[in-house]
Amino acid sequence: SQQGEEDPQALSIQEGENATMNCSYKTSINNLQWYRQNSGRGLVHLILIRSNEREKHSGRLRVTLDTSKKSSSLLITASRAADTASYFCATDYNNFNKFYFGSGTKLNVKP
Amino acid sequence: ETGVTQTPRHLVMGMTNKKSLKCEQHLGHNAMYWYKQSAKKPLELMFVYNFKEQTENNSVPSRFSPECPNSSHLFLHLHTLQPEDSALYLCASSQLSYNEQFFGPGTRLTVL
Repeated sequence: SQQGEEDPQALSIQEGENATMNCSYKTSINNLQWYRQNSGRGLVHLILIRSNEREKHSGRLRVTLDTSKKSSSLLITASRAADTASYFCATDYNNFNKFYFGSGTKLNVKP
Repeated sequence: ETGVTQTPRHLVMGMTNKKSLKCEQHLGHNAMYWYKQSAKKPLELMFVYNFKEQTENNSVPSRFSPECPNSSHLFLHLHTLQPEDSALYLCASSQLSYNEQFFGPGTRLTVL
């Protein structure tokens, strides 16, 4: 299976702290994406990083990709209560529009 | 919310019922997807449609029957479901050759 696996499964921090989530996958990828899901809702795309990229930024989000270790990390800086959600990584397969999602990291940001 | 809508948002059905889930995307995309999300499990890809043609069926039981009449609409027809089919069913769309998927809010299905 090419499913990404997020780590940790759950993370609880205080508002203002940084949150780091990790994703590991098993086979070669073309790109890796991170999504956010608020409780019981649809997923929202956050950022995409291609296999030839090592780091990408979007606002308070920073994503890194290490293809040699088959891992990625998502850093949310200066977290806010509104960042409370589940975060998923998704890996593609043979460049078709087919993605494998992990079980997610549940982030709780306490005000 | 994104440009992908799903109806109904909640559905309760018995095991002998027949119902349909509807998804509509207003983004001009040419690929649509059905996912199943169960508690504490990874999101499961069920079906993929590219240009209205089904390109992926991830070993989904025949009690789930997809239909894609055009590139904007996607249905999931349900019949004789089991209680373990209770889950959040998510629809998504994307533009082929771009990898970002846009998700609908989901239909929370409960099978009694």
